[in-house]
Amino acid sequence: EAGVAQSPRYKIIEKRQSVAFWCNPISGHATLYWYQQILGQGPKLLIQFQNNGVVDDSQLPKDRFSAERLKGVDSTLKIQPAKLEDSAVYLCASSLYSGVGETQYFGPGTRLLVL
Amino acid sequence: RKEVEQDPGPFNVPEGATVAFNCTYSNSASQSFFWYRQDCRKEPKLLMSVYSSGNEDGRFTAQLNRASQYISLLIRDSKLSDSATYLCVVNTNAGKSTFGDGTTLTVKP
Repeated sequence: EAGVAQSPRYKIIEKRQSVAFWCNPISGHATLYWYQQILGQGPKLLIQFQNNGVVDDSQLPKDRFSAERLKGVDSTLKIQPAKLEDSAVYLCASSLYSGVGETQYFGPGTRLLVL
Repeated sequence: RKEVEQDPGPFNVPEGATVAFNCTYSNSASQSFFWYRQDCRKEPKLLMSVYSSGNEDGRFTAQLNRASQYISLLIRDSKLSDSATYLCVVNTNAGKSTFGDGTTLTVKP
């Protein structure tokens, strides 16, 4: 079974530029998550989708970050404009449902460096 | 105060040692608990779920204390391949996951 796919794997941009990340979850997984992981810290949830609806985006900096999951499958996360503090690994994960005990399967992440 | 706090680490232990990690959580409504493992520059992967009665998987034992709001992970007979960062994860009944910052373990020959 194919895992969670993410692209690009690495991205270097200058501050104030825009960047977009793509995620393809495991087939059949209804729930998709985007996390930000800063070096030395645990993943922080940015947004959680159930099919194509948003379940939780309370920690998404909405002035610069946006995410969508059209048709309830693939998802994109965009940052516009980027700041130095956005340098981090952006992890996408999926689970079969958004139930309490569901296992999350993570993609390899996109490493973003903002100069 | 963070919602999920872990031992700061790092833990450096010899092969064969027993090591224990603790994790505390602040939301008393938390419903499910997990330990994930993250290797250097890799994505997190589920190590084990944590049940109220405690559970064991080979050399790994996880325990939950709801009254004191902490979970623990015990690794017996440490192997070099156990070297990784161990992330404590707490889910609310709405399915929201909060990760701790992780504890790094290095097992040395």
